[in-house]
Amino acid sequence: NAGVTQTPKFRILKIGQSMTLQCAQDMNHNYMYWYRQDPGMGLKLIYYSVGAGITDKGEVPNGYNVSRSTTEDFPLRLELAAPSQTSVYFCASSYSRANPSSPLHFGNGTRLTVT
Amino acid sequence: KQEVTQIPAALSVPEGENLVLNCSFTDSAIYNLQWFRQDPGKGLTSLLLIQSSQREQTSGRLNASLDKSSGRSTLYIAASQPGDSATYLCAVTGNQFYFGTGTSLTVIP
Repeated sequence: NAGVTQTPKFRILKIGQSMTLQCAQDMNHNYMYWYRQDPGMGLKLIYYSVGAGITDKGEVPNGYNVSRSTTEDFPLRLELAAPSQTSVYFCASSYSRANPSSPLHFGNGTRLTVT
Repeated sequence: KQEVTQIPAALSVPEGENLVLNCSFTDSAIYNLQWFRQDPGKGLTSLLLIQSSQREQTSGRLNASLDKSSGRSTLYIAASQPGDSATYLCAVTGNQFYFGTGTSLTVIP
């Protein structure tokens, strides 16, 4: 049981380059999330999805795009990388948000540096 | 907006000591509260989930309590070990998941 899988683990981008962070889950979860974690700042929600074909903005969506064509996959796209996007990115999933017994599962993260 | 606070931000204890980590939140309308562990350079591992109707959950040396009315949760770690050294985060579930900034725990051998 792989859970939530993120690729790549590390990436260095030059300013203005584009890339896609991949996220896949094999738990048949409806909800998927992208967070960024900056030192001392906690986790901030970038985008989330409540099911295939449905996405919505979180707290810090600028500079990012997402798509959810299947239940399993939720890629995060950076179109024009900027130094402010240097961070650790985490993908997470849950079966439900309103179900009190539904925990949040995290991937191992992607460490991105933009120079 | 829900705000989640964890105090202290950092804690250093000798091995074998019992310790308590604190988490407070401003809006009691939550579905559940989760405690996570994060090792340096790693993802978040779920430790315990307390449903809104529950008062506490236990797993091994860990015990988490929840007092919704006062907006507080505690994570109790018994007989701490060096392997417990990590950052511990709490998260509450409402309209979204809301995270604290974590407590960095160091257990000194």
